[in-house]
Amino acid sequence: DAGVIQSPRHEVTEMGQEVTLRCKPISGHNSLFWYRQTMMRGLELLIYFNNNVPIDDSGMPEDRFSAKMPNASFSTLKIQPSEPRDSAVYFCASYQQVGALGTEAFFGQGTRLTVV
Amino acid sequence: SQELEQSPQSLIVQEGKNLTINCTSSKTLYGLYWYKQKYGEGLIFLMMLQKGGEEKSHEKITAKLDEKKQQSSLHITASQPSHAGIYLCGAVFSGGYNKLIFGAGTRLAVHP
Repeated sequence: DAGVIQSPRHEVTEMGQEVTLRCKPISGHNSLFWYRQTMMRGLELLIYFNNNVPIDDSGMPEDRFSAKMPNASFSTLKIQPSEPRDSAVYFCASYQQVGALGTEAFFGQGTRLTVV
Repeated sequence: SQELEQSPQSLIVQEGKNLTINCTSSKTLYGLYWYKQKYGEGLIFLMMLQKGGEEKSHEKITAKLDEKKQQSSLHITASQPSHAGIYLCGAVFSGGYNKLIFGAGTRLAVHP
């Protein structure tokens, strides 16, 4: 398996534009997490899915953020409209929950988003 | 996350020195993960601890979860420049759907 694949690796966009980040998790994993990392706030959990269903989106900062997981092999995180304070590195992580506790979470390489 | 506090925030050591990073939880941990992140890259899994008093080692890195399962420490013996990076602890608090959250991280620099 090629691991968790995120695209694009880098994104520069103008304020007000729509941004879509993509993630392909590891095949067979049943959980997927989206995180945002900044110097000020560290690694924040935005939303996570289990069996393609959103379980907890309490970390999504505003209604401008939305995430979907239409099937087990694909997820998107969308920001519309984007703002300069959304600039950060966004990570997707794939996880297999086995019983009460899962295996390690595998992280993608991240998408570095810059909103100017 | 405010539920997980890491200390110190940053650390600079001389090559060959030992060091310890701490991760403290405000609630009982169900599972505790340690990850390392090199600057500009994704997170690399180091180890997972679940049982109170459990200790695991990987090369020169040892991590322990205390008996009350509210604190973990990561110890590096004879540090090397390759150990430099950001160390993050991650935790699961419930046994249901596993919400994995992370501490703010500890930035480690190792000078030759």
